[in-house]
Order: sequence, then C-alpha cells, then structure tokens
Amino acid sequence: DAEITQSPRHKITETGRQVTLACHQTWNHNNMFWYRQDLGHGLRLIHYSYGVHDTNKGEVSDGYSVSRSNTEDLPLTLESAASSQTSVYFCASSAWGTNDEQYFGPGTRLTVT
Amino acid sequence: SQELEQSPQSLIVQEGKNLTINCTSSKTLYGLYWYKQKYGEGLIFLMMLQKGGEEKSHEKITAKLDEKKQQSSLHITASQPSHAGIYLCGADINAGGTSYGKLTFGQGTILTVHP
Repeated sequence: DAEITQSPRHKITETGRQVTLACHQTWNHNNMFWYRQDLGHGLRLIHYSYGVHDTNKGEVSDGYSVSRSNTEDLPLTLESAASSQTSVYFCASSAWGTNDEQYFGPGTRLTVT
Repeated sequence: SQELEQSPQSLIVQEGKNLTINCTSSKTLYGLYWYKQKYGEGLIFLMMLQKGGEEKSHEKITAKLDEKKQQSSLHITASQPSHAGIYLCGADINAGGTSYGKLTFGQGTILTVHP
C-alpha cells in the first residue's frame, strides 16, 4: 500500500544545530507540504513543492529550507535550530489539483533545548 | 486572528450525545476539508466539501458547507468514546480557489467523550 512516512518520529537537538527531518511518500504525488502544529495555532504551512526542483515558501518559512530532488522526498532543514522551532512537524502530499485529499504523515516531534 | 475560526475550542460530552463543531471564514471557501487527529498521531481525512449547500455523511459524522461557502459544520450523532480527538478544518481560501493544495487550517477542536 502507498504511504507517507516521516523520520525521525522524535528528535531532541540543541540551539544552533542544523537539523533535517525526512519525508518520503510512495503515492507518486506531485504536491508535497510541510506544516508545523502548535497549541492554539492549528497547522501552519512552512514550505511546499509542486514537483521536482520546485519549492515555495509558506506562511512560516523563516529559518527553514526544503529541496525536491525526486518525486518521493521532501526533506525539511532547520538551518540553525531555535527554541521557537520546538513543535510537531507534519508532512503531507496530494495529487495535482485543488480537489484532492491531502495525505498526512505521522509527524515528527522536535524539541530544541 | 485566524483566517479560519473553529468553535468551540474544546468540547466535553457524554457518550450518546449529539454535537456540532463549526468552522467559519470571512472569505469564500474553495474546498473545505475535515480531518481528525488522535493525540500524537497524524491527521485522518474525514470529508471534503466543495459546493455551496453540499452535505456528506460517513457513519455517524455529517459535514455541511453553507450556501455562501463561508461556514462548515461537522455534526456527530450519538457520540462514542472512539470519536474523541482533535477535529481540524482546512480550506483553500485563495480567490478563485487557486491554492492548489495549500490549505489554511483552523486551530482545532478538542473533543472528549465520557463513557
């Protein structure tokens, strides 16, 4: 069965370190998204991609970057982790078009100390 | 302020009771998605509504999108402990529905169902 996976599921890192969160989907979806979830804010869009070599900034992109070298993966990098980036991160994917369901990964809980 | 407002923020009900969660926007909703989330887990897709006045049901959960496409409601009939979790609405709120999958989410409603 097709799926979307994230790794690691839990991560503790120190302020200033570079961290990369992995997202891998086997749906062959063009669209991939990264969200962060914080209490009282719901999910907020960080970055998104509509295909290989395409990346775009979302609502809360400062301090984050992504790259899309193939269809299956969209890794999210925190260039220099800050305590404000402690959050739960979700990756999602969908087929091209506005009418399609977004499939979400299980999430990565990141703590920056 | 949130572009999508959910109400209530939390809800505690007795098993067997009916309940309604609302999702309201000041902008037209070009695609309204309802998701359920269990603590510590990812989001599970429930339903998607597009047309004004549309209504969909799945088991004991019914979702509606009003005629003006600015409000959606999620109604659970005869709630069960398995319905407990966080309910999130997400929508394409860009003019003309041009978000191409970029969803704006409400802050979520935490539902507790007591046996």
